[in-house]
Amino acid sequence: DGGITQSPKYLFRKEGQNVTLSCEQNLNHDAMYWYRQDPGQGLRLIYYSQIVNDFQKGDIAEGYSVSREKKESFPLTVTSAQKNPTAFYLCASTPAPRHRGDGYTFGSGTRLTVV
Amino acid sequence: AQSVAQPEDQVNVAEGNPLTVKCTYSVSGNPYLFWYVQYPNRGLQFLLKYITGDNLVKGSYGFEAEFNKSQTSFHLKKPSALVSDSALYFCAVRDTLTGGGNKLTFGTGTQLKVEL
Repeated sequence: DGGITQSPKYLFRKEGQNVTLSCEQNLNHDAMYWYRQDPGQGLRLIYYSQIVNDFQKGDIAEGYSVSREKKESFPLTVTSAQKNPTAFYLCASTPAPRHRGDGYTFGSGTRLTVV
Repeated sequence: AQSVAQPEDQVNVAEGNPLTVKCTYSVSGNPYLFWYVQYPNRGLQFLLKYITGDNLVKGSYGFEAEFNKSQTSFHLKKPSALVSDSALYFCAVRDTLTGGGNKLTFGTGTQLKVEL
């Protein structure tokens, strides 16, 4: 079955550490997105990518980095510069950006906790 | 710019009663509108969408939504609520005129609680 796989499901980070969250899709979707979810704040866009080797900052990109070397993969690195990284992180994808009537397919999320 | 508002943080309803979760939007052109549901510690699941045509859209699990252009609303409804409908519901919008990555803008979510 096609879908988006996020790993790990739970991740613990020590102060000052960088961690990388994995997002892989086999839907042949062009566009991929990373969101952060905090209680009562809905979804906030971190980074998005419309095509391989290209990505743009979202609304809260500070302290995060991404890469898009393959169509299927869009990993998110939470750097030590992100002062409050404890949150639920969601990856999503959608077919080619010109298909504006398509919604997102979401992964099952990664819960990151700073210890 | 596109935006969406969900005015209620939580909606409580008794099982068997009808439910409504409210959503209003703002776009420059015409909207594409979506509803998603999220269960605890899970990703969002697609429920239904409005692109064009009939203002009443039917979706998964017996849910439906009514597009009202004059009121810029897209409220989610179900005739008879189930306890298993208890979850977090998100409305989302995409403007037909917007460039910028085909992004959806999400509301802050409404927690639905269905009680026996």
